[in-house]
Amino acid sequence: DAMVIQNPRYQVTQFGKPVTLSCSQTLNHNVMYWYQQKSSQAPKLLFHYYDKDFNNEADTPDNFQSRRPNTSFCFLDIRSPGLGDAAMYLCATSRKKTSGYNEQFFGPGTRLTVL
Amino acid sequence: AQKVTQAQTEISVVEKEDVTLDCVYETRDTTYYLFWYKQPPSGELVFLIRRNSFDEQNEISGRYSWNFQKSTSSFNFTITASQVVDSAVYFCALSATFSGGYQKVTFGTGTKLQVIP
Repeated sequence: DAMVIQNPRYQVTQFGKPVTLSCSQTLNHNVMYWYQQKSSQAPKLLFHYYDKDFNNEADTPDNFQSRRPNTSFCFLDIRSPGLGDAAMYLCATSRKKTSGYNEQFFGPGTRLTVL
Repeated sequence: AQKVTQAQTEISVVEKEDVTLDCVYETRDTTYYLFWYKQPPSGELVFLIRRNSFDEQNEISGRYSWNFQKSTSSFNFTITASQVVDSAVYFCALSATFSGGYQKVTFGTGTKLQVIP
């Protein structure tokens, strides 16, 4: 089945140790999104890619970076994780359209723990 | 700017009771989309429904129903005869299409529903 896959589902890292989260999709969608969801909070958009064009939200910390080497994969890099970065990270994809709605398909998320 | 308000933080009901989750939104866009997502303890966001701003018809899907009222900027969600499996966090969300052709989804803070056997 076509889907959005996130690996790993659970990631533990140490304070300050760089970590990379992975997202892949078989939907051939040209837009990919990364959301951060802290405990008991709503998902918050960090950035998105339209093809290779990177779009950062204004309030996304510099500590968060992203790479999209091809259509199928997108990575979230946290350069120096702090305790406050512990959260669920959700990847989503959509197809770009000039009108109408482009449904976002969400992956299962990666729950990041920072020790 | 877009904003979604879910005033109910947590709701507990006894199994088989009906429950309504409230959602109020704000947007300046004339074309927008509203959603409800379910997030069980496993963490995955499960899409439940999407409505566009031009379609105010209420919708029923099994035990789920949605009431969209543009006049009050509300998009409420009712579960009839609740079941334990309905226990989850439910998010209401709002989206408009940006000129670049992508969506920006604004989520409410969620309502945690606990259905007690």
